[in-house]
Amino acid sequence: EVQLVESGGDLVQPGGSLRLSCAASGFTVSSKYMSWVRQAPGKGLEWVSVIYSVGSTYYADSVKGRFTISRHNSKNTLYLQMNSLRPEDTAVYYCARDPNYGAGYWGQGTLVTVSS
Amino acid sequence: QLVLTQSPSASASLGASVNLTCTLSSGHSSYAIAWHQQQPEKGPRYLMKLNSDGSHSKGDGIPDRFSGSSSGAERYLTISSLQSEDEADYYCQTWGTDIRVFGGGTKLTVL
Repeated sequence: EVQLVESGGDLVQPGGSLRLSCAASGFTVSSKYMSWVRQAPGKGLEWVSVIYSVGSTYYADSVKGRFTISRHNSKNTLYLQMNSLRPEDTAVYYCARDPNYGAGYWGQGTLVTVSS
Repeated sequence: QLVLTQSPSASASLGASVNLTCTLSSGHSSYAIAWHQQQPEKGPRYLMKLNSDGSHSKGDGIPDRFSGSSSGAERYLTISSLQSEDEADYYCQTWGTDIRVFGGGTKLTVL
């Protein structure tokens, strides 16, 4: 059974940093395309970043230069390092297995609040 | 620019059928999309991947009541025999080499 479990969300001050984790089971993270998607309170889904099986990474313009997606193959875990956080980054962050190749899956999400 | 357009809201009666539409931007009519469901206060759930020829592959445990079809730049999600638990937000998603895009979502109300 495929499972994605996010962790690491917290309350952080503007300008601060946070690292989110997404532990996967039931498949190998490094063999699939994996994304981070966020949802601000009361808003729709917004794509944040994707990492391909070959290691290529891409980012939404709103986070480029501040966020970094990565993975740890032996831990089968996806990460999102978030620096220079802004109030507008406040959202529930989901990791998702990309539906581009094979079935998609979503985690349950982790809440990031950026506020002083 | 790769954009997906969805109507903000839709409604249908219990037991009826409903079609939700997702429109791809000009020049992108050959793109596949995915449909996702988000019930109130829950995380998203993957429903299916829908190709430009109308072929689709559903996610684990998705009922037969959910189906997809395509026509040109339009991608459709059809839900038949509507149940109360189908009341949710529905998002379409597509992708390019260096980007993923979500539509704005359609809020479905089951009357």
